[in-house]
Amino acid sequence: NAGVMQNPRHLVRRRGQEARLRCSPMKGHSHVYWYRQLPEEGLKFMVYLQKENIIDESGMPKERFSAEFPKEGPSILRIQQVVRGDSAAYFCASSPSIGQGGNTGELFFGEGSRLTVL
Amino acid sequence: SQKIEQNSEALNIQEGKTATLTCNYTNYSPAYLQWYRQDPGRGPVFLLLIRENEKEKRKERLKVTFDTTLKQSLFHITASQPADSATYLCALDPSGNTPLVFGKGTRLSVIA
Repeated sequence: NAGVMQNPRHLVRRRGQEARLRCSPMKGHSHVYWYRQLPEEGLKFMVYLQKENIIDESGMPKERFSAEFPKEGPSILRIQQVVRGDSAAYFCASSPSIGQGGNTGELFFGEGSRLTVL
Repeated sequence: SQKIEQNSEALNIQEGKTATLTCNYTNYSPAYLQWYRQDPGRGPVFLLLIRENEKEKRKERLKVTFDTTLKQSLFHITASQPADSATYLCALDPSGNTPLVFGKGTRLSVIA
């Protein structure tokens, strides 16, 4: 059973370009979470999605960042007009459907996408 | 303000000894607390979950305690091995049905 798949693992962009990070959750999981990790910092929550719905985006910057989880295909985290401060590791995690509300169990993380902005 | 703090950024310990890592939180009332391991360049991997009504949880050489009065969780690795060297993250669910909040982690080095 494949785990959470993230790609690309490494992405280099110049300032002003767009970055698109993809995440395929574990089979059977319909909850997806995106976290950002800066060097020497903890994981910071960005957004929580279920299929076709954004459930909680309280950690997303108001501008330039967007996320989606379409009915078919992977979840996408998009960063427009990247700046140097966007350089970080972006982790996706998934969890299974557990009824109403959010997650009360473990998160399964991918290996991350490391974005470098030149 | 709400905080989750792992008191030590780094901890060095001799092989065979017990490593104890601390996680403290303020202004949260979590229903449960989790511990994860993260190796360099990798994603976090779940280790243990402990609920608010549980005092202690064990899994092989790992033991977690949860004191809701002290607002603290302790994570122990007994008979530590160099392969246990990694960063350990604690995480909590702030108010039930909300995404996990993570501490910054403690980097454990087990020296042979």
